[in-house]
Amino acid sequence: EMQLVESGGGLVQPGGSLRLSCAASGFTFSTYWMHWVRQAPGKGLVWVSRINSDGSRTIYADSVKGRFTISRDNAKNTLYLQMNTLTAEDTAVYYCAREGGGLSLYMDVWGKGTTVTVSP
Amino acid sequence: SSELTQDPAVSVALGQTVRITCQGDSLRRFDATWYQQKPGQAPVLVIYNKNNRPSGIPDRFSGSGSGNTASLTITGAQAEDEADYYCNSRDTIIDHLVFGGGTKLTVL
Repeated sequence: EMQLVESGGGLVQPGGSLRLSCAASGFTFSTYWMHWVRQAPGKGLVWVSRINSDGSRTIYADSVKGRFTISRDNAKNTLYLQMNTLTAEDTAVYYCAREGGGLSLYMDVWGKGTTVTVSP
Repeated sequence: SSELTQDPAVSVALGQTVRITCQGDSLRRFDATWYQQKPGQAPVLVIYNKNNRPSGIPDRFSGSGSGNTASLTITGAQAEDEADYYCNSRDTIIDHLVFGGGTKLTVL
């Protein structure tokens, strides 16, 4: 069964840092682009970042560029999101997702999410 | 960057047909993707590449599109279809993705 399991969320003060992890299983992780998507409380989905299969190409939403870093360790089947200089606006559930392929970049496997709360 | 616009809420009587729409310039170039999200759960892919259903998605779900508008149609809506639905596409300008604001579907 294909599975993604996020971890690393929690309560952090404004200006702080946090690293999220996403453990993949049930598929060949090293051959897929991966994404992070977030959802603030009571709000919609927002795309955050994506990374290619070997980690050599990373792309970010403007709202996190320069503060967040996406990376992966294919030997460990794990995706990461390093989040720095956090603000209250970063409070959200963070989902990792697998990119299914094709031009439309759809996400066909999602984790259950990990919650990040930025508060004093 | 592009924006995708969805109606915030739509309702449908049980067993009837409902269409949820999504508008945006990026849809002129790229196919829409649709996700279903129930409260407290992760999103689930329901339509990709305009009108393809992943395995396990009922065939009452279908997608279509023309110009700057994409649509998700549920033919014979069921109580379990009550959820938030999000459209999504590739951005036109740069290699990003964009989501619509979501449509809350109520099945009456």
